[in-house]
Amino acid sequence: QKEVEQDPGPLSVPEGAIVSLNCTYSNSAFQYFMWYRQYSRKGPELLMYTYSSGNKEDGRFTAQVDKSSKYISLFIRDSQPSDSATYLCAMSAPGANNLFFGTGTRLTVIP
Amino acid sequence: GAVVSQHPSRVICKSGTSVKIECRSLDFQATTMFWYRQFPKQSLMLMATSNEGSKATYEQGVEKDKFLINHASLTLSTLTVTSAHPEDSSFYICSAMVSGGEYNEQFFGPGTRLTVL
Repeated sequence: QKEVEQDPGPLSVPEGAIVSLNCTYSNSAFQYFMWYRQYSRKGPELLMYTYSSGNKEDGRFTAQVDKSSKYISLFIRDSQPSDSATYLCAMSAPGANNLFFGTGTRLTVIP
Repeated sequence: GAVVSQHPSRVICKSGTSVKIECRSLDFQATTMFWYRQFPKQSLMLMATSNEGSKATYEQGVEKDKFLINHASLTLSTLTVTSAHPEDSSFYICSAMVSGGEYNEQFFGPGTRLTVL
């Protein structure tokens, strides 16, 4: 079983839609949860970071962590064509340097 | 945020040759850098952890004699793919870690696309 599972998509939505991206994980030691956005042929850039359980909002993006279910989500409101990219979840345990990545979900927002 | 650069961004080489990829942290010092490989439509796979002034730590299944890592300064780590073969063609991404904050954040370089003919 992979440490982190993520539906690879692809996911296509019309402009303005709400997008929901999700990951599940198996390691209960994970405490730090990140969402990265990766444009084609570029390195990942950090979008959101959450510690432990709870919600975090930043503009049109909301990250949720449910540690009891080992499930994290990223919501994008009022999606824009510029949001078209691959979104990777990543997580790590306290004191550990390694990041464990999901496979990434390829999102296309259609104008 | 912190900036990480990689050079070259793209390289094409013949089978059997060696290729060196540089990863630089431009505005901060990084005692730890990471090297990842990403195949098309797949996630980042950690290859090795590069520690300044000491030997790199390789992940299981990654040949240390084939993927040579040197982290000679706090702002530069290099990955050399020795005797490259077509199956080594991939997107190689480095990251540099900033520690001391709430968590050890990694900043990623733009990646290097290697094509071995």
